Amino acid sequence: DQQVKQNSPSLSVQEGRISILNCDYTNSMFDYFLWYKKYPAEGPTFLISISSIKDKNEDGRFTVFLNKSAKHLSLHIVPSQPGDSAVYFCAASGNTDKLIFGTGTRLQVFP
Amino acid sequence: NAGVTQTPKFRVLKTGQSMTLLCAQDMNHEYMYWYRQDPGMGLRLIHYSVGEGTTAKGEVPDGYNVSRLKKQNFLLGLESAAPSQTSVYFCASSYSGLARSSYEQYFGPGTRLTVT
Repeated sequence: DQQVKQNSPSLSVQEGRISILNCDYTNSMFDYFLWYKKYPAEGPTFLISISSIKDKNEDGRFTVFLNKSAKHLSLHIVPSQPGDSAVYFCAASGNTDKLIFGTGTRLQVFP
Repeated sequence: NAGVTQTPKFRVLKTGQSMTLLCAQDMNHEYMYWYRQDPGMGLRLIHYSVGEGTTAKGEVPDGYNVSRLKKQNFLLGLESAAPSQTSVYFCASSYSGLARSSYEQYFGPGTRLTVT
């Protein structure tokens, strides 16, 4: 039973345009959400997070939106750059010691 | 400050062999985790530890054992390797406590293990 779902395995976006990565969750107890970025042959690195008391968090080119009623979050990257090409994982926590990760979305930004 | 390091980076085992993966962190983190990443499966938690001398099972613990004898080290053992354990293994660490920043985990570079 996949509690955190990333239904798009891949996404291709032109440089300078917006990238939107989506994530859905099923557990209503989740109250904190994170996005990680992973380059090949490296470990994931933390990108941005959001608490369930907010519906938006912004950090430079990256913005995460949370829609609790729909159990949906999205990561917006504006403008997209070739260096953003990576696999993006969303993760969720319900005030436990553990994170539940999605399956990842591979983003490719082309010139 | 090296962050989280993993040893070895690559390993090939024959079915039935045993091995230990070592994870070390120099950030004085209380919590440490072992994950495996498989195509289409994301990151799945194998075992984790909330402090020196403690361990707990994650989502996919079967076939693995762990030990946390020192705060900075977390060992993952495979007693009798199986082809199903072919995967990329990641170690991670984080702070403890109630602060939401404790949910941010710092990952090592990974160990690619192939079991033939």
